[in-house]
Amino acid sequence: DAMVIQNPRYQVTQFGKPVTLSCSQTLNHNVMYWYQQKSSQAPKLLFHYYDKDFNNEADTPDNFQSRRPNTSFCFLDIRSPGLGDAAMYLCATSRDLYRLQDYEQYFGPGTRLTVT
Amino acid sequence: ELKVEQNPLFLSMQEGKNYTIYCNYSTTSDRLYWYRQDPGKSLESLFVLLSNGAVKQEGRLMASLDTKARLSTLHITAAVHDLSATYFCAMSMEYGNKLVFGAGTILRVKS
Repeated sequence: DAMVIQNPRYQVTQFGKPVTLSCSQTLNHNVMYWYQQKSSQAPKLLFHYYDKDFNNEADTPDNFQSRRPNTSFCFLDIRSPGLGDAAMYLCATSRDLYRLQDYEQYFGPGTRLTVT
Repeated sequence: ELKVEQNPLFLSMQEGKNYTIYCNYSTTSDRLYWYRQDPGKSLESLFVLLSNGAVKQEGRLMASLDTKARLSTLHITAAVHDLSATYFCAMSMEYGNKLVFGAGTILRVKS
């Protein structure tokens, strides 16, 4: 089945220790997104890639970076995690950005990040 | 700036009862989505509403969109315990397809 996969599902890191979260997709979608969802809050977009073009949200902290080495994979790097970065990180994909029928976003299972 | 407001934020209902969750948004957009989220899990897509007057139904859930009123509703008919979850509405911004979510409605269906 075509899908969005996130690894690991649970990640524990120490305060200030860099961490990388991984997302892969078998849908061959052009767009990949990273959302942060803190406890009891709605998801919030951090950034997205349209093909190789990176689009950062204005309020995404510099501590968060992303890489997309190919169509299938996208990584979220947190350079120096703080306690406030503990959250569920959701990866999503959409086919494209130019037609209504291509907009729907498909979410992965998420990675729950704990910062100790 | 697009703002999406949901109400109620918490809904406790008895099995067999009907209720409606409301989603208001601030600017015109023709893409509205409803998601379900179980505790500790990811988002499950329920409905995609793309035009004024769109109505979609799946089981005990029915969603509608009124773009003139900037309102979407999620109607629950004869609730059952399995519907207990958090429900989000979301709209996407024109550029970049960024999803802006409402705060979510926590639904608890009591036996």
